[in-house]
Amino acid sequence: KAGVTQTPRYLIKTRGQQVTLSCSPISGHRSVSWYQQTPGQGLQFLFEYFSETQRNKGNFPGRFSGRQFSNSRSEMNVSTLELGDSALYLCASSLGSAGEELFFGSGTQLSVL
Amino acid sequence: AQKITQTQPGMFVQEKEAVTLDCTYDTSDPSYGLFWYKQPSSGEMIFLIYQGSYDQQNATEGRYSLNFQKARKSANLVISASQLGDSAMYFCAMRDPFSGGYNKLIFGAGTRLAVHP
Repeated sequence: KAGVTQTPRYLIKTRGQQVTLSCSPISGHRSVSWYQQTPGQGLQFLFEYFSETQRNKGNFPGRFSGRQFSNSRSEMNVSTLELGDSALYLCASSLGSAGEELFFGSGTQLSVL
Repeated sequence: AQKITQTQPGMFVQEKEAVTLDCTYDTSDPSYGLFWYKQPSSGEMIFLIYQGSYDQQNATEGRYSLNFQKARKSANLVISASQLGDSAMYFCAMRDPFSGGYNKLIFGAGTRLAVHP
């Protein structure tokens, strides 16, 4: 059974650009969550999608957005990149009910120059 | 506010010995879930163990066990018979009880474990 797949693995962008990251959940999983990991702030929740609807959102500016497709694959987009957006972005999937473990991907390492 | 505290930035253990990684949490909600994840240098977060606030027994998964002390609000991870491959960052996390039971986790700062031969 394939795990959570995130692409690309590494990304380098410059300030002001926008970026799109992709996450394919485990087959059958309907919930996809996104997290940002930085040395200074640690792991922080960005948002969660379930059945193509955002059902939870963290405290991030509107430059961070996401969506989920009918096949449960999810994308997150960051517009007008800032240096502080450099981070490891992790995606997690689950069946969608409370009390379940979240399965994480290997992440996308974004560097903003 | 909900919070997870891991007070050990780094830990060392000899191979084949047991090690305990500390985690305390703060929440006023009676229903919550606690997780431990392992993050090797590759970056992937690997699920280790889960404890629900109403679970009567401490969770165990192979060499991992969770020492759950509800009154003290602690959920320490015990790794028995450490192996070299256990060297990694370990994160304690709590399912945000105010998120409606959805998949929003609050993470601690992590503990870096180094296993020495």
